[in-house]
Amino acid sequence: ETGVTQTPRHLVMGMTNKKSLKCEQHLGHNAMYWYKQSAKKPLELMFVYNFKEQTENNSVPSRFSPECPNSSHLFLHLHTLQPEDSALYLCASSQDRRGSTDTQYFGPGTRLTVL
Amino acid sequence: GQNIDQPTEMTATEGAIVQINCTYQTSGFNGLFWYQQHAGEAPTFLSYNVLDGLEEKGRFSSFLSRSKGYSYLLLKELQMKDSASYLCAVPNYGGSQGNLIFGKGTKLSVKP
Repeated sequence: ETGVTQTPRHLVMGMTNKKSLKCEQHLGHNAMYWYKQSAKKPLELMFVYNFKEQTENNSVPSRFSPECPNSSHLFLHLHTLQPEDSALYLCASSQDRRGSTDTQYFGPGTRLTVL
Repeated sequence: GQNIDQPTEMTATEGAIVQINCTYQTSGFNGLFWYQQHAGEAPTFLSYNVLDGLEEKGRFSSFLSRSKGYSYLLLKELQMKDSASYLCAVPNYGGSQGNLIFGKGTKLSVKP
């Protein structure tokens, strides 16, 4: 247990569906991250939030929409996804983004399959 | 630009020692992280090196040479539970300082 939880753990959706991924951290951190992990590829940073403000959008398609209502919760809203979006989506948190050496703590991920 | 290289797969025997290498090219440097990731689970933090040399933490040690752009993770007295992917990562010194750039990971298989 890293103190970061994600739900659901597995999700299968059609290309026309709308779904949301949820992340919650119990570490008192101020920065939260969404990553995509595809087979045989490095972890790819998608979004970064620091003190609830989005500080990074790593050229992510608009069919992925993040939301950070407070420092403990992070959502990833999904709509009209493509099969190539199938991957493991990982959430992480760190103390804050001012220190580039802050250790990031990861959640267990959501395994997403787009049919 | 940033680039990280590490071997794709390695195999070792239970009780042995294994060294997982990582080379990196970055425009600046602010430390190097190692994470362990078991299949289907979250990456977990192993070590952070910012100065040259070896840092030991139980059965795991991590080495850094900044002049060579090189690090390794040393695992001693291997156990079956050490079978996992090991991810090398450096903070991005480009447009987004502080974001981590990850290597593709080294999948370690420990055999009896």
